[in-house]
Amino acid sequence: GQNIDQPTEMTATEGAIVQINCTYQTSGFNGLFWYQQHAGEAPTFLSYNVLDGLEEKGRFSSFLSRSKGYSYLLLKELQMKDSASYLCAARDSNYQLIWGAGTKLIIKP
Amino acid sequence: DAGITQSPRYKITETGRQVTLMCHQTWSHSYMFWYRQDLGHGLRLIYYSAAADITDKGEVPDGYVVSRSKTENFPLTLESATRSQTSVYFCASTQPSGTYEQYFGPGTRLTVT
Repeated sequence: GQNIDQPTEMTATEGAIVQINCTYQTSGFNGLFWYQQHAGEAPTFLSYNVLDGLEEKGRFSSFLSRSKGYSYLLLKELQMKDSASYLCAARDSNYQLIWGAGTKLIIKP
Repeated sequence: DAGITQSPRYKITETGRQVTLMCHQTWSHSYMFWYRQDLGHGLRLIYYSAAADITDKGEVPDGYVVSRSKTENFPLTLESATRSQTSVYFCASTQPSGTYEQYFGPGTRLTVT
Protein backbone atom coordinates (compact mmCIF):
# COMPACT_ATOMS: atom_id res chain seq x y z
CA GLY A 1 0.00 0.00 0.00
CA GLN A 2 0.89 3.66 -0.08
CA ASN A 3 2.00 5.31 3.12
CA ILE A 4 3.62 8.48 4.40
CA ASP A 5 5.02 8.66 7.94
CA GLN A 6 6.05 11.78 9.78
CA PRO A 7 6.14 12.68 13.49
CA THR A 8 2.92 14.00 14.93
CA GLU A 9 4.42 16.88 16.90
CA MET A 10 7.79 18.52 17.52
CA THR A 11 8.90 21.34 19.79
CA ALA A 12 11.84 23.66 19.17
CA THR A 13 13.22 26.94 20.48
CA GLU A 14 13.18 30.27 18.69
CA GLY A 15 16.46 30.81 16.84
CA ALA A 16 17.32 27.11 16.76
CA ILE A 17 17.31 24.53 13.94
CA VAL A 18 14.76 21.73 13.55
CA GLN A 19 14.61 18.78 11.17
CA ILE A 20 11.26 17.18 10.30
CA ASN A 21 11.57 13.69 8.84
CA CYS A 22 9.29 11.93 6.39
CA THR A 23 9.37 8.38 5.06
CA TYR A 24 7.24 7.28 2.16
CA GLN A 25 6.10 4.20 0.30
CA THR A 26 4.25 4.79 -2.95
CA SER A 27 3.36 3.00 -6.16
CA GLY A 28 5.97 4.67 -8.30
CA PHE A 29 7.48 7.99 -7.35
CA ASN A 30 7.36 11.35 -9.08
CA GLY A 31 8.56 13.78 -6.46
CA LEU A 32 8.25 14.81 -2.82
CA PHE A 33 6.53 17.98 -1.63
CA TRP A 34 6.57 19.89 1.62
CA TYR A 35 3.74 22.24 2.50
CA GLN A 36 3.23 24.55 5.45
CA GLN A 37 -0.19 24.92 7.04
CA HIS A 38 -0.96 27.47 9.74
CA ALA A 39 -3.89 26.66 12.00
CA GLY A 40 -7.19 27.37 10.28
CA GLU A 41 -5.55 28.14 6.95
CA ALA A 42 -4.85 26.39 3.66
CA PRO A 43 -1.62 24.51 2.95
CA THR A 44 0.99 26.54 1.08
CA PHE A 45 3.79 25.12 -1.03
CA LEU A 46 7.30 25.13 0.47
CA SER A 47 9.50 22.82 -1.57
CA TYR A 48 9.74 20.07 -4.15
CA ASN A 49 12.42 17.39 -4.60
CA VAL A 50 12.54 14.81 -7.35
CA LEU A 51 16.29 14.10 -7.44
CA ASP A 52 18.45 12.98 -4.54
CA GLY A 53 20.07 15.75 -2.59
CA LEU A 54 19.47 18.98 -0.79
CA GLU A 55 17.43 21.93 -2.08
CA GLU A 56 17.97 25.16 -0.19
CA LYS A 57 15.52 28.04 -0.16
CA GLY A 58 16.38 30.71 2.36
CA ARG A 59 15.90 29.45 5.91
CA PHE A 60 14.25 26.27 4.64
CA SER A 61 15.99 23.29 3.03
CA SER A 62 14.60 19.96 1.89
CA PHE A 63 16.48 16.71 1.35
CA LEU A 64 15.53 13.60 -0.57
CA SER A 65 16.93 10.07 -0.72
CA ARG A 66 14.93 8.06 -3.26
CA SER A 67 16.72 4.80 -2.45
CA LYS A 68 15.73 5.10 1.22
CA GLY A 69 12.25 6.53 0.66
CA TYR A 70 13.21 9.38 2.97
CA SER A 71 13.01 13.13 3.05
CA TYR A 72 13.51 15.83 5.62
CA LEU A 73 12.67 19.50 5.94
CA LEU A 74 15.24 21.61 7.74
CA LEU A 75 14.22 24.92 9.23
CA LYS A 76 16.97 27.26 10.42
CA GLU A 77 16.87 30.37 12.61
CA LEU A 78 13.40 29.48 13.80
CA GLN A 79 10.91 32.29 14.23
CA MET A 80 7.65 32.26 16.14
CA LYS A 81 5.78 32.55 12.83
CA ASP A 82 7.18 29.12 11.86
CA SER A 83 4.75 27.55 14.33
CA ALA A 84 2.55 25.54 11.96
CA SER A 85 1.94 22.06 10.65
CA TYR A 86 4.31 20.77 7.99
CA LEU A 87 2.84 18.34 5.49
CA CYS A 88 4.88 15.83 3.52
CA ALA A 89 3.38 14.51 0.27
CA ALA A 90 4.74 12.07 -2.29
CA ARG A 91 3.52 11.97 -5.86
CA ASP A 92 2.85 8.48 -7.15
CA SER A 93 2.98 6.99 -10.64
CA ASN A 94 -0.49 8.37 -11.41
CA TYR A 95 0.69 11.85 -10.44
CA GLN A 96 -1.57 11.83 -7.40
CA LEU A 97 -0.31 13.23 -4.10
CA ILE A 98 -0.24 10.90 -1.11
CA TRP A 99 -0.23 13.02 2.05
CA GLY A 100 1.19 12.46 5.49
CA ALA A 101 -0.90 13.47 8.50
CA GLY A 102 1.39 16.43 9.15
CA THR A 103 3.88 17.42 11.85
CA LYS A 104 2.76 20.14 14.23
CA LEU A 105 5.77 22.30 15.04
CA ILE A 106 5.63 24.29 18.27
CA ILE A 107 8.17 27.10 18.69
CA LYS A 108 8.96 28.24 22.21
CA PRO A 109 10.60 31.60 23.01
CA ASP B 1 -9.40 38.78 -7.43
CA ALA B 2 -7.04 36.27 -8.94
CA GLY B 3 -6.55 32.94 -7.23
CA ILE B 4 -8.69 30.14 -5.94
CA THR B 5 -11.75 30.77 -3.84
CA GLN B 6 -14.22 28.57 -2.01
CA SER B 7 -17.73 29.22 -0.77
CA PRO B 8 -19.20 29.05 1.71
CA ARG B 9 -16.34 29.25 4.22
CA TYR B 10 -18.49 27.77 6.97
CA LYS B 11 -21.61 25.63 6.68
CA ILE B 12 -23.80 23.82 9.17
CA THR B 13 -26.30 21.38 7.73
CA GLU B 14 -28.49 18.56 8.93
CA THR B 15 -28.12 14.86 8.24
CA GLY B 16 -29.80 13.90 4.99
CA ARG B 17 -29.63 17.35 3.38
CA GLN B 18 -27.94 18.01 0.09
CA VAL B 19 -25.18 20.59 0.19
CA THR B 20 -22.90 21.98 -2.50
CA LEU B 21 -19.47 23.44 -1.92
CA MET B 22 -18.19 25.79 -4.58
CA CYS B 23 -14.67 26.22 -5.92
CA HIS B 24 -13.54 28.81 -8.44
CA GLN B 25 -10.06 29.50 -9.84
CA THR B 26 -8.90 32.29 -12.11
CA TRP B 27 -5.62 30.80 -13.33
CA SER B 28 -7.16 28.54 -16.01
CA HIS B 29 -5.42 25.57 -14.40
CA SER B 30 -6.50 22.34 -16.08
CA TYR B 31 -6.34 20.15 -12.96
CA MET B 32 -8.59 20.66 -9.95
CA PHE B 33 -8.95 18.59 -6.81
CA TRP B 34 -11.20 18.18 -3.78
CA TYR B 35 -9.70 17.03 -0.48
CA ARG B 36 -11.04 16.56 2.99
CA GLN B 37 -8.88 17.08 6.04
CA ASP B 38 -9.64 15.43 9.36
CA LEU B 39 -7.63 15.35 12.59
CA GLY B 40 -5.12 12.52 12.55
CA HIS B 41 -5.40 12.02 8.81
CA GLY B 42 -3.55 13.52 5.95
CA LEU B 43 -5.40 15.27 3.20
CA ARG B 44 -7.56 12.68 1.47
CA LEU B 45 -8.50 13.04 -2.17
CA ILE B 46 -12.22 12.88 -2.89
CA TYR B 47 -12.37 13.64 -6.61
CA TYR B 48 -10.19 15.30 -9.19
CA SER B 49 -10.59 16.67 -12.67
CA ALA B 50 -8.04 16.86 -15.46
CA ALA B 51 -10.10 19.23 -17.62
CA ALA B 52 -13.66 20.40 -18.18
CA ASP B 53 -16.03 17.42 -18.40
CA ILE B 54 -13.33 15.01 -17.18
CA THR B 55 -13.56 13.86 -13.57
CA ASP B 56 -12.28 10.85 -11.67
CA LYS B 57 -12.59 9.32 -8.23
CA GLY B 58 -9.97 9.70 -5.56
CA GLU B 59 -9.43 7.79 -2.36
CA VAL B 60 -12.75 8.60 -0.61
CA PRO B 61 -15.46 9.38 -3.23
CA ASP B 62 -18.48 7.68 -1.64
CA GLY B 63 -21.31 10.09 -0.85
CA TYR B 64 -19.91 12.87 -3.05
CA VAL B 65 -20.63 14.04 -6.58
CA VAL B 66 -18.66 16.49 -8.72
CA SER B 67 -19.08 18.19 -12.04
CA ARG B 68 -16.91 20.44 -14.16
CA SER B 69 -18.73 22.14 -16.99
CA LYS B 70 -16.29 25.07 -17.03
CA THR B 71 -12.54 25.04 -16.48
CA GLU B 72 -12.72 27.56 -13.66
CA ASN B 73 -15.43 25.90 -11.53
CA PHE B 74 -15.42 22.58 -9.71
CA PRO B 75 -18.39 22.19 -7.34
CA LEU B 76 -18.60 19.33 -4.83
CA THR B 77 -22.04 18.05 -3.80
CA LEU B 78 -22.87 15.93 -0.80
CA GLU B 79 -26.05 14.23 -1.95
CA SER B 80 -27.31 13.23 1.50
CA ALA B 81 -25.01 14.55 4.20
CA THR B 82 -23.92 12.28 7.04
CA ARG B 83 -22.16 13.13 10.30
CA SER B 84 -19.03 11.35 9.06
CA GLN B 85 -18.78 14.02 6.37
CA THR B 86 -18.13 16.69 8.98
CA SER B 87 -14.72 17.94 7.93
CA VAL B 88 -12.70 20.74 6.40
CA TYR B 89 -12.85 20.63 2.63
CA PHE B 90 -10.10 22.07 0.46
CA CYS B 91 -10.17 22.68 -3.24
CA ALA B 92 -6.86 22.84 -5.10
CA SER B 93 -5.66 23.40 -8.64
CA THR B 94 -2.50 22.90 -10.65
CA GLN B 95 -1.14 23.18 -14.12
CA PRO B 96 0.67 20.08 -15.44
CA SER B 97 4.02 21.74 -16.02
CA GLY B 98 7.10 22.33 -13.91
CA THR B 99 6.72 20.99 -10.41
CA TYR B 100 2.92 20.57 -10.58
CA GLU B 101 2.57 22.10 -7.13
CA GLN B 102 -1.00 22.40 -6.05
CA TYR B 103 -2.52 25.72 -4.97
CA PHE B 104 -5.18 25.50 -2.30
CA GLY B 105 -8.32 27.46 -1.65
CA PRO B 106 -9.02 28.74 1.88
CA GLY B 107 -11.21 25.76 2.77
CA THR B 108 -14.82 25.17 3.80
CA ARG B 109 -15.54 24.00 7.32
CA LEU B 110 -18.62 21.78 7.12
CA THR B 111 -20.52 20.53 10.15
CA VAL B 112 -23.27 17.95 9.73
CA THR B 113 -25.60 17.71 12.73
